Amino acid sequence: AQRVTQPEKLLSVFKGAPVELKCNYSYSGSPELFWYVQYSRQRLQLLLRHISRESIKGFTADLNKGETSFHLKKPFAQEEDSAMYYCASVRGYSTLTFGKGTMLLVSP
Amino acid sequence: NAGVTQTPKFQVLKTGQSMTLQCAQDMNHEYMSWYRQDPGMGLRLIHYSVGAGITDQGEVPNGYNVSRSTTEDFPLRLLSAAPSQTSVYFCASSYSPPTGGGQPQHFGDGTRLSIL
Repeated sequence: AQRVTQPEKLLSVFKGAPVELKCNYSYSGSPELFWYVQYSRQRLQLLLRHISRESIKGFTADLNKGETSFHLKKPFAQEEDSAMYYCASVRGYSTLTFGKGTMLLVSP
Repeated sequence: NAGVTQTPKFQVLKTGQSMTLQCAQDMNHEYMSWYRQDPGMGLRLIHYSVGAGITDQGEVPNGYNVSRSTTEDFPLRLLSAAPSQTSVYFCASSYSPPTGGGQPQHFGDGTRLSIL
């Protein structure tokens, strides 16, 4: 079965520090991976998808097939980045599988 | 446009009661889904639908029913509520299923449900 693993429940950093939110997947084919974010009192929303190779709000994520990882990175964290981050993978044709999420806290 | 609208926002039920969580979208999306969010468990898929008249089970379907009579609406029914169903429920929609191009899911605000 396809799995998405986010090993850290909580990641706490200081403003300006680099951030890396880890995501590992298990999938035998070509994965389709996403990062979703839920800010306080806001709806869960798409942050990044690997197919787009884009940078959103300073965040990037590179698919590493050798390590089966899709880590989310930002060189300099901001307080407004504090949120719950979910890694997700397409499962089969019609569904998404989410990881358990990582809470990012950025302190001043 | 309202996007994805979920009602109610909060609900308290007694064990054994039934209720329907409503979800409506005004984006003409074919794909709709229900998730539950529990601490330490992330989001788990309950049921999904790829279009009107078509539904299928997700990861945790037991205790829940769905129907999709229109493109806009995708209600989730709890037939006999149990304390284990205490959770936050999210409805999501997208133009097409998640695969093949990475369709972003549009989420509602959620329904916080407590079963006593």
